[in-house]
Amino acid sequence: GQSLEQPSEVTAVEGAIVQINCTYQTSGFYGLSWYQQHDGGAPTFLSYNALDGLEETGRFSSFLSRSDSYGYLLLQELQMKDSASYFCAVRSPGGGFKTIFGAGTRLFVKA
Amino acid sequence: SQTIHQWPATLVQPVGSPLSLECTVEGTSNPNLYWYRQAAGRGLQLLFYSVGIGQISSEVPQNLSASRPQDRQFILSSKKLLLSDSGFYLCAWSSEAGELFFGEGSRLTVL
Repeated sequence: GQSLEQPSEVTAVEGAIVQINCTYQTSGFYGLSWYQQHDGGAPTFLSYNALDGLEETGRFSSFLSRSDSYGYLLLQELQMKDSASYFCAVRSPGGGFKTIFGAGTRLFVKA
Repeated sequence: SQTIHQWPATLVQPVGSPLSLECTVEGTSNPNLYWYRQAAGRGLQLLFYSVGIGQISSEVPQNLSASRPQDRQFILSSKKLLLSDSGFYLCAWSSEAGELFFGEGSRLTVL
């Protein structure tokens, strides 16, 4: 089977740094993605890690350790607009690269 | 550039009624297409994916079905809706790099 674990909620202060962890257990693994979803909207792609290490895109960074089946999303210089749900997702073998999502982490950014 | 559209955006249906959600992609050929469902406050559940015309893979047994009559058209259907079918339905296509691009979503309420 396939499962992804991430915290259900995280609260942080504007300007701070927050890390959202994700552990996964899958039969087959191509890479770990992160998506952001604001209330009422569709998810949007943030980052993708196929290899171990850190990927940086502006204020957001994502890390992967394949040996530990673990990754995280790091958000720096938090802004109020970062309040949203964040999903880790595993891309695994299967026709068309199936992507399986975690349950999501709700991030609340406080002033 | 590629775009993805799905409709209707919102619908309220009685239990036992049929359902048809449509999704079309423009600007790309032979895309991998996906239907996801998201219950309120939950993660995304992969329902179906398709790698080509007439090729449908089902991830979860249920009273829903999917069809791909044309290369860039993906349809989600049901003959008789259940209360548990309520949710936010998202169509997506994936780039060759595996990034998912979602449509605007269809919010279904079954009463």
